[in-house]
Amino acid sequence: QVQLQESGPGLVKPSDTLSLTCAVSGFSISSHYWWGWIRQSPGKGLEWIGYIYYSGGAYYNPSLKSRATMSVDTSKNHFSLELTSVTAVDTAVYFCARKSALYTYFDCWGQGTLVTVSS
Amino acid sequence: QSALTQPASVSGSPGQSITISCTGTSSNIGDNNYVSWYQLRPDEAPKLIIYEVNNRPSGVSDRFSGSKSGDTASLTISGLQAEDEADYYCSSYTTAFVTFGGGTKLTVL
Repeated sequence: QVQLQESGPGLVKPSDTLSLTCAVSGFSISSHYWWGWIRQSPGKGLEWIGYIYYSGGAYYNPSLKSRATMSVDTSKNHFSLELTSVTAVDTAVYFCARKSALYTYFDCWGQGTLVTVSS
Repeated sequence: QSALTQPASVSGSPGQSITISCTGTSSNIGDNNYVSWYQLRPDEAPKLIIYEVNNRPSGVSDRFSGSKSGDTASLTISGLQAEDEADYYCSSYTTAFVTFGGGTKLTVL
């Protein structure tokens, strides 16, 4: 059974870098899937951040203006997100998710982790 | 502002049917059949309930169905049950980029 679990600091200071990791269990991250990040700001809808292939190729939401960087660690079977220069608008629940390389949807998600940006 | 427009809320009584619309443009929903729908409940992992407009993943109730006409996709839930109360999001995939709707809160009265 595939499981995804997000982890990282729940509180980040403004202008700092937000760093999250998604641990994948029950499935090899080196399979033909893309590994993505999506967030939900309080009272708002979902926002796609991006996704990355195990070999390193990635797509990002242009609205993040190059602040986001994703990476994959196949030895630990996890992938990560870094978001630089955060402000209060980056406060959100961050989800990680899996998307098949053959298909156009996320078929498995983590439960999400709340990150608050505040001094 | 989301590129895909959904009603903020819908409601229905148990046993009734409801439909949630998702309006995009000719550049996203109107361009292909890559529309998916997700169910979000508090403290649970989001769940894929419809993919590629009208396909249900294994294990999803056949009370959930999807359709599309032009630039608008729709999710219909028939035979409403209390457990259907959740937030629902549509999503469009276009040339490797993903867009979500603003979400619709379904209340089962």
